[in-house]
Amino acid sequence: DAMVIQNPRYQVTQFGKPVTLSCSQTLNHNVMYWYQQKSSQAPKLLFHYYDKDFNNEADTPDNFQSRRPNTSFCFLDIRSPGLGDAAMYLCATSRRTAQTQYFGPGTRLLVL
Amino acid sequence: DAKTTQPNSMESNEEEPVHLPCNHSTISGTDYIHWYRQLPSQGPEYVIHGLTSNVNNRMASLAIAEDRKSSTLILHRATLRDAAVYYCILRDGPNFGNEKLTFGTGTRLTIIP
Repeated sequence: DAMVIQNPRYQVTQFGKPVTLSCSQTLNHNVMYWYQQKSSQAPKLLFHYYDKDFNNEADTPDNFQSRRPNTSFCFLDIRSPGLGDAAMYLCATSRRTAQTQYFGPGTRLLVL
Repeated sequence: DAKTTQPNSMESNEEEPVHLPCNHSTISGTDYIHWYRQLPSQGPEYVIHGLTSNVNNRMASLAIAEDRKSSTLILHRATLRDAAVYYCILRDGPNFGNEKLTFGTGTRLTIIP
């Protein structure tokens, strides 16, 4: 089945140690998104790509960056994770002209 | 993005219909009404969306008020697998550059066996 895949499902990192989360998709969608969801809160968009065009949300901290080397893959880099960055990170995709977003299962990040 | 208001939580008995309300009094003419749900420990899942007319699909029905200031997601026969947080989201039409979803607090639906 075509899908959005996130690896790993759980990631533990140390305070200040860079970490990369990955997302891949088999849907061939041209838009990919990264959301952050803290405990008991709603998902919040960090940034998205339309093809290779990067769109950052105004309130996304500089500590968060992203790379999209090709259509299928997108990475979330957290340069210096703090305790407040512990959250579920959700990747989603969509076609530019479509209304529906397809989400992956998320990666839960724990910062020690 | 226009704001939506939903009850924090609702309960329903298994195998009965569920009506999940959403108020969006500041909706604009080009805003689509979207519903997503998030099951425990999973990513959000698209449920349904509409603009003006009521919509049906295999998962649910969406009833939109005539003035579009409110809508109701209808699960016709709730099962235990429908227990989730349901998000009502307004999204500006198919305008390029407005692809994002702004999630509100959602309604946590509990299904009672």
